[in-house]
Amino acid sequence: DGGITQSPKYLFRKEGQNVTLSCEQNLNHDAMYWYRQDPGQGLRLIYYSQIVNDFQKGDIAEGYSVSREKKESFPLTVTSAQKNPTAFYLCASSTSTSGDTEAFFGQGTRLTVV
Amino acid sequence: AQSVTQLDSHVSVSEGTPVLLRCNYSSSYSPSLFWYVQHPNKGLQLLLKYTSAATLVKGINGFEAEFKKSETSFHLTKPSAHMSDAAEYFCVVSDLNTGGFKTIFGAGTRLFVKA
Repeated sequence: DGGITQSPKYLFRKEGQNVTLSCEQNLNHDAMYWYRQDPGQGLRLIYYSQIVNDFQKGDIAEGYSVSREKKESFPLTVTSAQKNPTAFYLCASSTSTSGDTEAFFGQGTRLTVV
Repeated sequence: AQSVTQLDSHVSVSEGTPVLLRCNYSSSYSPSLFWYVQHPNKGLQLLLKYTSAATLVKGINGFEAEFKKSETSFHLTKPSAHMSDAAEYFCVVSDLNTGGFKTIFGAGTRLFVKA
């Protein structure tokens, strides 16, 4: 089945540690995205990538890093510089970044800093 | 600059009654508009989208939305609510901006369905 897979579903991190969230898609989509979701707020864009080996900062990139070495994979690292990392993280992909294409979402990773 | 406002943070309906989730947007050009649904601790799923074709858009699960340019609205409706419709709904606007397309998510409306 084609889709987008995020792992793990739940993640706990100690303060001061970096942690990497996985996102894999087999939809052959060029564009991939990372969003952060906090209660009562819409999704906010962290990073996006339009093509392999290229990525751009979104609205809230500080404290995060990404890589896009393969078309299928777009991992997100939450660094110790991110002041408030506890949130629900959603990865998405689409055929392109033109505005009329639908995004396909993974099931999300809930990150909790303890 | 573009923006999207979901007018209600929570909506509660009884099963079998109509659903109305309101969304207003602002856009400089010709936007694409979407409604997504999110069930608890899940990703988002596309319900429907408007991309400058017919102004009345039909989606999955009996939902539909009407693009009203004069009112800058894209309200989501369903004639008869089902218990399985209880979820959070996001209105999304995507428009051409300097540097490319920009997509903005509304804050979401949580729909409660009472038996």
